[in-house]
Amino acid sequence: DTGVSQNPRHKITKRGQNVTFRCDPISEHNRLYWYRQTLGQGPEFLTYFQNEAQLEKSRLLSDRFSAERPKGSFSTLEIQRTEQGDSAMYLCASTGDSTTYEQYFGPGTRLTVT
Amino acid sequence: DQQVKQNSPSLSVQEGRISILNCDYTNSMFDYFLWYKKYPAEGPTFLISISSIKDKNEDGRFTVFLNKSAKHLSLHIVPSQPGDSAVYFCAASDSFGNEKLTFGTGTRLTIIP
Repeated sequence: DTGVSQNPRHKITKRGQNVTFRCDPISEHNRLYWYRQTLGQGPEFLTYFQNEAQLEKSRLLSDRFSAERPKGSFSTLEIQRTEQGDSAMYLCASTGDSTTYEQYFGPGTRLTVT
Repeated sequence: DQQVKQNSPSLSVQEGRISILNCDYTNSMFDYFLWYKKYPAEGPTFLISISSIKDKNEDGRFTVFLNKSAKHLSLHIVPSQPGDSAVYFCAASDSFGNEKLTFGTGTRLTIIP
């Protein structure tokens, strides 16, 4: 299967700890997005990469959040000093087609901060 | 500021009948609209999309209608099947905004056998 993959699928951490999530996009997709989804809401945009360049960050992405996409392949999203409000599903999506807007999502990483 | 709104949190439809899911948006810059389907514990799956230059797009049992003047779109599923039971998200994008998606809050569709 060559879809978008995310690891881990679930993460439980104590408040104040750092966590890192990984996203492997569909190969050859040059655009990668991170979204966050909380209960009862739709996914909300966090940040966007074109190849290795991070081109946009949402104001939802506080200073405790950092994302990277070295070499324009996989991406990581790190949250430092986690807070209970960070508990959510973190979704990664990729796309390579510049003429359509369909993004292909991974299964997500569910973060629970206790 | 909810730029994409799905005002019906849930909808139940008999199997074989038509399901109609609605979505409204406020941002005039949106020029591409998509519907995603989501099962529990999975990421959203792309279903169908429509460009703002069209008013209808059809793919098998799924048709999306766009009314730009009303800033309204709808997804029609006919005939509805039990496997269609899922949460449906409307999403919008603008070609000048890095094509990031703005989602509605979703509508849970239940197909009654």
